[in-house]
Amino acid sequence: DIQMTQSPSSLSASVGDRVTITCRASQSISTYLNWYQQKPGKAPKLLIYTASTLQSGVPLRFSGSGSGTDFTLTVSSLEPEDFATYYCLQSYSTLFTFGGGTKVEIK
Amino acid sequence: QVQLVQSGSELKKPGASVKVSCKASGYTFTRYGMNWVRQAPGQGLEWMGWINTNTGNPTYAQGFTGRFVFSLDTSVSTAYLQISSLKAEDTAVYYCARDVTVKPLDYWGQGTLVTVSS
Repeated sequence: DIQMTQSPSSLSASVGDRVTITCRASQSISTYLNWYQQKPGKAPKLLIYTASTLQSGVPLRFSGSGSGTDFTLTVSSLEPEDFATYYCLQSYSTLFTFGGGTKVEIK
Repeated sequence: QVQLVQSGSELKKPGASVKVSCKASGYTFTRYGMNWVRQAPGQGLEWMGWINTNTGNPTYAQGFTGRFVFSLDTSVSTAYLQISSLKAEDTAVYYCARDVTVKPLDYWGQGTLVTVSS
């Protein structure tokens, strides 16, 4: 199975900060990497697919990049509603795997 | 609009079985597969597998073979997750999520909490 390693596992940031989360795959997954946001008590929401394509309705402050094994999710300027947990998901293999998650907390 | 509506919370005793439903609307059910995802209390997301809604063929992730069964009733656009021989460690929220080739897990159900306790 392909292992996905996310870092950091948590971070504290302030409104307006630029935040970057990374996800590393145990083998090359091309651009089959997707990012999700989850708020407490809610289902996850798709933010970005195929590494860099923004899902419809997602604010432009979110962006994704990377290919092969290393990927990043960037929030250019944190808004209050962005405090949540973020997960990457590889969909290269027939057996998908999530990263461990990154909790973004208010500093 | 696309909606996935899951069945309500369940409280089960160890050794029992549970069947969670996920009713889809707003799209042609058999066009897209259905994934299942587990989230234990305070933990991250685990992809359990998916079922091809056109053929009924399931694929299970490692750790979700044997006691976990995905099934369908296409006549009512519903996917099911059945878990048998329940254990305390099966306590979790279970989500269904639609599978689109380039946009995996683009729509999610609201989640079903399964609690296993004596």
